[in-house]
Amino acid sequence: EIVLTQSPGTLSLSPGERTTLSCRASQSVSSSLAWYQQKPGQAPRLLIFGASSRATDIPDRFSGSGSGTDFTLTISRLEPEDFAVYYCQQYGSSPLTFGGGTKVEIK
Amino acid sequence: QVQLVESGGGVVQPGGSLRLPCAASGFTFSTYGMNWVRQAPGKGLEWVAFIRYDGSNKYYADSVKGRFTISRDNSKNTLYLQMNSLRAEDTAVYYCAKGGYCSGVTCYFTAFDIWGQGTMVTVSS
Repeated sequence: EIVLTQSPGTLSLSPGERTTLSCRASQSVSSSLAWYQQKPGQAPRLLIFGASSRATDIPDRFSGSGSGTDFTLTISRLEPEDFAVYYCQQYGSSPLTFGGGTKVEIK
Repeated sequence: QVQLVESGGGVVQPGGSLRLPCAASGFTFSTYGMNWVRQAPGKGLEWVAFIRYDGSNKYYADSVKGRFTISRDNSKNTLYLQMNSLRAEDTAVYYCAKGGYCSGVTCYFTAFDIWGQGTMVTVSS
């Protein structure tokens, strides 16, 4: 099973700031990596697939990069609606796995 | 619009069974792979199972293998999760999610671009 480790666990930031979230895989997943955003009481929403492709209707302040085992999600300028939990997921092989999540909270 | 709607959640005793349906609309359900994902209270996401567009291939997480069965009825645009021998650790919100496709005999996992709103399953005596 491929283990995904996200860091940090929590980020305390202010609106307008730039932030980078990290996701490291225990073995290569090539570019088969996605990022999701989840707000309290809601289902996850797909942000990034293929490590760097934005999903439909996702603002361009969200960007993804990386391949192999090291991946990042960057939010260029935090908007109030961006404070949420972010998960990475690998879909390169079964079992599909998710990282433990990074919570982005308002400072 | 594109939509997935789960139902069937509730409270069940340890060792009991439950079946969760997920109704799809707004896309050609019969051409896509589908998944179940769960989230225990206050915890992260856990993939549970995948089914090929025609139901001929299925994959499961080790934690549910032999107890849960994923299936689909393409004539009804509905995905199912049959859960047997339920345990306290199966308590979670269960989401269905669209993801995966097949080209010929080869199937590929993909990111999950459509999710339902989730249904809560509580296993407790």
